[in-house]
Amino acid sequence: DTAVSQTPKYLVTQMGNDKSIKCEQNLGHDTMYWYKQDSKKFLKIMFSYNNKELIINETVPNRFSPKSPDKAHLNLHINSLELGDSAVYFCASSQGVRPQHFGDGTRLSIL
Amino acid sequence: GESVGLHLPTLSVQEGDNSIINCAYSNSASDYFIWYKQESGKGPQFIIDIRSNMDKRQGQRVTVLLNKTVKHLSLQIAATQPGDSAVYFCAENTSGTASKLTFGTGTRLQVTL
Repeated sequence: DTAVSQTPKYLVTQMGNDKSIKCEQNLGHDTMYWYKQDSKKFLKIMFSYNNKELIINETVPNRFSPKSPDKAHLNLHINSLELGDSAVYFCASSQGVRPQHFGDGTRLSIL
Repeated sequence: GESVGLHLPTLSVQEGDNSIINCAYSNSASDYFIWYKQESGKGPQFIIDIRSNMDKRQGQRVTVLLNKTVKHLSLQIAATQPGDSAVYFCAENTSGTASKLTFGTGTRLQVTL
């Protein structure tokens, strides 16, 4: 009965590859987010979608492209992976201004 | 005690003692604040929230205090337990910014037996 689920949990790949992370929420929330958490645990928003529409796009390289096929799903595709992309990526969802619910993260390691 | 350095600030408390975790927020226009707990290998988990029209809110074993004058937020945990060991984040939100949360740097709470 996981509320916000991400796949995969771990992703190890080489520099230059393209990869995707998937996120699904079963809470009926209208808004979904992607966050990046670096090695110092700093958590920063990357994107936010509301009802499949992009509403927040922080200063993120064009290599990152979110896609929301429906309001329950928000995927993140990353092209030409770089060493600096190594981090934990969290998906979250919320309804209105109520607290965001987070998934357990995808740990991305670039070799 | 509390320490700040290259690593996450860490607060060590003995089991049964009360913990106070502090947070200085950045935006005077922020009107909604949340505390999250993050355990190892997990995502942030909601603990308690407070709106700017309040200065105190209590939950089960937790209390959040808000001082808007000095832009300071604190989380008090009563009778700290080993299961409270985690990294704690404060987050702020400004209404009208599409629920965009800005997170603080986090504090690691270590509970010793």
